[in-house]
Amino acid sequence: RKEVEQDPGPFNVPEGATVAFNCTYSNSASQSFFWYRQDCRKEPKLLMSVYSSGNEDGRFTAQLNRASQYISLLIRDSKLSDSATYLCVVNPVMEYGNKLVFGAGTILRVKS
Amino acid sequence: NAGVTQTPKFRVLKTGQSMTLLCAQDMNHEYMYWYRQDPGMGLRLIHYSVGEGTTAKGEVPDGYNVSRLKKQNFLLGLESAAPSQTSVYFCASSYSRTEGHYGYTFGSGTRLTVV
Repeated sequence: RKEVEQDPGPFNVPEGATVAFNCTYSNSASQSFFWYRQDCRKEPKLLMSVYSSGNEDGRFTAQLNRASQYISLLIRDSKLSDSATYLCVVNPVMEYGNKLVFGAGTILRVKS
Repeated sequence: NAGVTQTPKFRVLKTGQSMTLLCAQDMNHEYMYWYRQDPGMGLRLIHYSVGEGTTAKGEVPDGYNVSRLKKQNFLLGLESAAPSQTSVYFCASSYSRTEGHYGYTFGSGTRLTVV
């Protein structure tokens, strides 16, 4: 079983739609969680951290469910510019090197 | 701020050739990492370093070597390139933290093709 699993998509949505992605992780001791955004042929960039209480940044809302070991990202009022691959990222434990584990990504395509 | 800079951005190698990828960061980060990204497989950790003069193996270290002689630089070497090493290579860096994690800053990547 992969440490971090995501639906690869693609999710094809019209502008203005609300779309949600889920991600599951296998290590129940995981400490930190993130969503990264990666545009085609570019480097991943941090979109937002995910906190136990949930957090919101403009049109983006991230939730963490530790009991079920999943993380979600909700995008409201989708824009064409939201088209990208969204990577779910987990820090399994605060171990040597603080290494992050990346999901393979979910592709989002927003169409006009 | 430059952040994390990778050179070169593109390279084509013949099988058996060697090369070194350079990563430089100006954020005074303790930790540095090399990942490779292949279609459908996500980012996989090759090697990493927790400080100057230290390196450690990641998930897919075979065929690669690394060195961190200076805090700001992390070099990835391919001694004898193979077609299986065709990939996009990303360097990343982060602060060392005892509690919490603030994520990585990535370089813009190196696209390597081995023919």
